[in-house]
Amino acid sequence: DQQVKQNSPSLSVQEGRISILNCDYTNSMFDYFLWYKKYPAEGPTFLISISSIKDKNEDGRFTVFLNKSAKHLSLHIVPSQPGDSAVYFCAASAQSGANNLFFGTGTRLTVIP
Amino acid sequence: DSGVTQTPKHLITATGQRVTLRCSPRSGDLSVYWYQQSLDQGLQFLIQYYNGEERAKGNILERFSAQQFPDLHSELNLSSLELGDSALYFCASSVALTAYGYTFGSGTRLTVV
Repeated sequence: DQQVKQNSPSLSVQEGRISILNCDYTNSMFDYFLWYKKYPAEGPTFLISISSIKDKNEDGRFTVFLNKSAKHLSLHIVPSQPGDSAVYFCAASAQSGANNLFFGTGTRLTVIP
Repeated sequence: DSGVTQTPKHLITATGQRVTLRCSPRSGDLSVYWYQQSLDQGLQFLIQYYNGEERAKGNILERFSAQQFPDLHSELNLSSLELGDSALYFCASSVALTAYGYTFGSGTRLTVV
């Protein structure tokens, strides 16, 4: 049972444009959400996170939006750069429960120069 | 270099065999987590150790076991290997018990033939 879903396996965007990566979740107990970025032959690296008490968190070119009623979050990258080409994983946790993260299946972003 | 060291990077073994994957957490981190990523899947949580004790268990098969040693390194033992066990196995570490601030290693790619 996939509790965190990324329905777009891949996304291609022109350099300089906005990249929007989407993630849906089913477990209403999730209260902390993270995005990880993964390059080939490397482990995932933390990118940005958001607590369920917020609906937006921004860090430079990266912004995460959370819509709790829709159980949906999105990652916006503006402007997109070729170095952003990677696989992006959405993850969620329930701080009141287990200490592990539930990951989506990832979206491969390709930024075209 | 994330500071989390996983060895070996690649492992090829036959069905029915047993292997041990090793993880050295980042200096100062007490929690170690193991995740499995099968082809086109998200990372699936296996097990967490905190300061030598098992703290959370996910979808870990009975053929798999783990432990964390006094020097805080951890080993994941996989036995009676099947073709379906072929996957990337990631270790992550964090200072505390919670899911904040994971740092992942670069993974061990296990191929069962």
